[in-house]
Amino acid sequence: DAGITQSPRHKVTETGTPVTLRCHQTENHRYMYWYRQDPGHGLRLIHYSYGVKDTDKGEVSDGYSVSRSKTEDFLLTLESATSSQTSVYFCAISLDYLGETQYFGPGTRLLVL
Amino acid sequence: GQQVMQIPQYQHVQEGEDFTTYCNSSTTLSNIQWYKQRPGGHPVFLIQLVKSGEVKKQKRLTFQFGEAKKNSSLHITATQTTDVGTYFCAGRRNNDMRFGAGTRLTVKP
Repeated sequence: DAGITQSPRHKVTETGTPVTLRCHQTENHRYMYWYRQDPGHGLRLIHYSYGVKDTDKGEVSDGYSVSRSKTEDFLLTLESATSSQTSVYFCAISLDYLGETQYFGPGTRLLVL
Repeated sequence: GQQVMQIPQYQHVQEGEDFTTYCNSSTTLSNIQWYKQRPGGHPVFLIQLVKSGEVKKQKRLTFQFGEAKKNSSLHITATQTTDVGTYFCAGRRNNDMRFGAGTRLTVKP
């Protein structure tokens, strides 16, 4: 497996609280992505990054923000968590944008009560 | 906007039977990728198809890309218990990639 870690792996939080998920890679890949996975929807892109401090919105970006201050770290923040953001969140990396072989991290299960 | 539909949603087979999942896009695709996700795991890249009518094989898995580049299929011959999981297609059009909802395969020994 590619060197991708996500933290925390599981989190339970309450509606209205801020939550930050971290993705860390040791592969020095340029592109990093945050996806959410929900039953019946497959994977949906939230935000992606194409370099340090360079980020852009994906398909379902509302309610989420991201930051990338170092090549190896990509943070996803839910400013004020809602129950609709209960999901499994996957980070992915690739050499080229949406390129052949996106490597996925192990995922973070988030429950918003 | 671009949509990628995948069928069936679930498939239960007896070990040794064949399995096929289909992916259909509302628009012409630049390429299509296939992923496998084991229960409780993360998606793992299987293959990418780029050319119209392309067929690629990986052991018992056969991947096809339609002539119009709007549909694709994954066929598994003689399924094994190690094939269980959810298979996703992901269709790319320009700078946008959309995943299908996946087909969950279960195999009875």
